[in-house]
Amino acid sequence: EPEVTQTPSHQVTQMGQEVILRCVPISNHLYFYWYRQILGQKVEFLVSFYNNEISEKSEIFDDQFSVERPDGSNFTLKIRSTKLEDSAMYFCASSDLGTGIHSPLHFGNGTRLTVT
Amino acid sequence: AQSVSQHNHHVILSEAASLELGCNYSYGGTVNLFWYVQYPGQHLQLLLKYFSGDPLVKGIKGFEAEFIKSKFSFNLRKPSVQWSDTAEYFCAVIANQGGKLIFGQGTELSVKP
Repeated sequence: EPEVTQTPSHQVTQMGQEVILRCVPISNHLYFYWYRQILGQKVEFLVSFYNNEISEKSEIFDDQFSVERPDGSNFTLKIRSTKLEDSAMYFCASSDLGTGIHSPLHFGNGTRLTVT
Repeated sequence: AQSVSQHNHHVILSEAASLELGCNYSYGGTVNLFWYVQYPGQHLQLLLKYFSGDPLVKGIKGFEAEFIKSKFSFNLRKPSVQWSDTAEYFCAVIANQGGKLIFGQGTELSVKP
């Protein structure tokens, strides 16, 4: 069964540094998402992406965050200047018709980001 | 705004016990409902989903959930749990008009052998 893959599995960075989290969605999917889960808290929506542009973003997704689909396979999340509170597990997800239209999200294993 | 609440933070059961995890959502319109499971060290996996039709939905690994519209609930059940069901379970909802998936805070299930 095709999977969403994320790299790296664990990223440690210093406060103020830029990080790029990488995801390879399922190949025929058209909708892409980033979610995050701070330790002990619920999974939170960050952003959705379709047709090479952001379709929706949460209030968490401020100017420090950006997403990109640089080629036909990768989908990246960049945090420009990391803060301690960015430490979380970041999940990438993809779907083929968009959530709510008979297409559940398929999630990657997550990247654990630790900001020191 | 949509929200999802899961009643139990941590549930501890013995093998063969029956399981019911509560989930309530707040949204007045048509919703799609999901239960995801996250086994230790693994990614979120879809257990089951409800879009329309029979409100009793069967998923993988013997799980089922019942959508009760009048109660805004979508509780997850399993008649007899196994040690391998130890995981975190997340209820999630999305309005049928599209938009983001909203998760509950999760319920950690520990099954004692």
